[in-house]
Amino acid sequence: EVQLVQSGAEVKKPGESLKISCKGSGYSFTSYWIGWVRQMPGKGLEWMGIIYPGDSDTRYSPSFQGQVTISADKSISTAYLQWSSLKASDTAMYYCARLSGIAVAGSFVDYWGQGTLVTVSS
Amino acid sequence: QSVLTQPPSASGTPGQRVTISCSGSSSNIGSNTVNWYQQLPGTAPKLLIYSNNQRPSGVPDRFSGSKSGTSASLAISGLQSEDEADYYCAAWDDSLNGPGVFGGGTKLTVL
Repeated sequence: EVQLVQSGAEVKKPGESLKISCKGSGYSFTSYWIGWVRQMPGKGLEWMGIIYPGDSDTRYSPSFQGQVTISADKSISTAYLQWSSLKASDTAMYYCARLSGIAVAGSFVDYWGQGTLVTVSS
Repeated sequence: QSVLTQPPSASGTPGQRVTISCSGSSSNIGSNTVNWYQQLPGTAPKLLIYSNNQRPSGVPDRFSGSKSGTSASLAISGLQSEDEADYYCAAWDDSLNGPGVFGGGTKLTVL
């Protein structure tokens, strides 16, 4: 059974760093793109970026380029989303999501993580 | 403002048929397939329709999708109370070297 299990909720102060994780199981982790989706309180879904763990090819949405870092450790089948300096506006639910195919175009999200709530407040 | 445009809300009564539209451009819907996701309150999104009109296993045939040109639609027939949720269209965009784009979402209310 395919599963994406995310790390737990975080409460941080502005300016702090953070790295959240998403562990994949039940499939070949290196053979599927995995990405991160942001959902701010009461708002819609936004793609942040995706990574192909097989070769670490990483692509960011323009709005998130330079704002976050996406990485993966294929030895432990885990993807990461990292901030170096959090802002209050980073307060959101973050979902990891697996793409269905090796080609990005034409793929869809077939599995979602349960979400990690990040709260940034002074 | 989302790249894909959806109405913010839709509503219907039980048993009714409702449609949700999704408008894009030649670089996204016009040249790529459209997927739809359902997000029930307090839960992660779930794939509802993929490749314009395909239903994953377990999704009732009350849900159907279509695409024409740079627009797509999700139709829900025989509306049920448990269909009350947020619905998002999504597609890949050839002008962006990154992941895809989502619509702004439509909140469906069952009256």
